[in-house]
Amino acid sequence: GAVVSQHPSRVICKSGTSVKIECRSLDFQATTMFWYRQFPKKSLMLMATSNEGSKATYEQGVEKDKFLINHASLTLSTLTVTSAHPEDSSFYICSARDYLAGSTGELFFGEGSRLTVL
Amino acid sequence: AQSVAQPEDQVNVAEGNPLTVKCTYSVSGNPYLFWYVQYPNRGLQFLLKYITGDNLVKGSYGFEAEFNKSQTSFHLKKPSALVSDSALYFCAVRDMYGGATNKLIFGTGTLLAVQP
Repeated sequence: GAVVSQHPSRVICKSGTSVKIECRSLDFQATTMFWYRQFPKKSLMLMATSNEGSKATYEQGVEKDKFLINHASLTLSTLTVTSAHPEDSSFYICSARDYLAGSTGELFFGEGSRLTVL
Repeated sequence: AQSVAQPEDQVNVAEGNPLTVKCTYSVSGNPYLFWYVQYPNRGLQFLLKYITGDNLVKGSYGFEAEFNKSQTSFHLKKPSALVSDSALYFCAVRDMYGGATNKLIFGTGTLLAVQP
């Protein structure tokens, strides 16, 4: 199956600093990528839809100025958590769909990034 | 609005016994349905999907799921559980009219625990 690479897998930062997480589709092109946040009680929350070459679409309640998303190419999307605080500590997962698969294609997921804000 | 329900937080089954993980959905049009599995501290892995055609869909690792339109269900099944199947399972749905950018909505997940 298609591979989505997510980096870093773990990051620890101090409160007030910014952290960038990268999501790459390694063997396919993705016009759209999705960013999820997973809470300790396991549920996945869709944060935003990342669109190549245009602005991301954020879900209700997600601060776009805090969670900056950039999708500069067909294989790379980045999520930057700005001025991180301990409550931002979470497991962030990106996903992508091969644009050639069209609307019936499944999502492929990265391995996730565990963010801990001290 | 699209939604998915996984009524069981956890399913316990003995190794070798059949397993079922339940999922029901709600969409305005015809659904695209998916099952994913997540192992601890890992991303999600695709298991199977229903787009159209046969109601019984076969997927990875011996799993299968049955699409039931009248009951709006898409339960995940396996004839004989393995200890290595223990993981978190997510059901997901999207509306077929949403286009390629349409988001996938996930259920809350069901933890499957297979006892040796």
